[in-house]
Amino acid sequence: GAVVSQHPSRVICKSGTSVKIECRSLDFQATTMFWYRQFPKKSLMLMATSNEGSKATYEQGVEKDKFLINHASLTLSTLTVTSAHPEDSSFYICSARWNAVKETQYFGPGTRLLVL
Amino acid sequence: GQNIDQPTEMTATEGAIVQINCTYQTSGFNGLFWYQQHAGEAPTFLSYNVLDGLEEKGRFSSFLSRSKGYSYLLLKELQMKDSASYLCAVMDSNYQLIWGAGTKLIIKP
Repeated sequence: GAVVSQHPSRVICKSGTSVKIECRSLDFQATTMFWYRQFPKKSLMLMATSNEGSKATYEQGVEKDKFLINHASLTLSTLTVTSAHPEDSSFYICSARWNAVKETQYFGPGTRLLVL
Repeated sequence: GQNIDQPTEMTATEGAIVQINCTYQTSGFNGLFWYQQHAGEAPTFLSYNVLDGLEEKGRFSSFLSRSKGYSYLLLKELQMKDSASYLCAVMDSNYQLIWGAGTKLIIKP
């Protein structure tokens, strides 16, 4: 199946700093990418949907100025957590799909963020 | 609103069979997915049902009844490595995945 990578897999940062997470589709063109976060023992929560070349669509309650999403190419989307705080500590997962097959999303391995 | 319900936790014995149920109410339907998620890892795809009936794939089977808004995941010949969370997700009319909270499956020897 298709491969989606995320980098870094784990990151620890100090409160107030910004962290960038990359999501790459390695063998297909990802027309749409999704960013999720997951708290311990909870299910995935969709944060935003990004289409290549256009602004991301954020879910209700997700601050777009805090979680900056860029999807500049068909193989790369980035999520930047700005001025991170301990409550932003979470497991961030991206997924990607090719819009010709909307039923299929390929998930990245996730990035665990710990803000001290 | 959109809602997906599945049990929080289930326990089963190695070698046995377990059925994890999922009921849903969503705006539109473009298929139901089951994912397996081990602690600290991303979900991995198990099955996709868009038509009524049973889909069998090795030790795992998934069933769908669209009229009842109901699905189940059946795991046979349970192995210790099957201990994980199992997530039910429905793709709505906008092709977005709506996720259940997940069922933690504990396998005992």
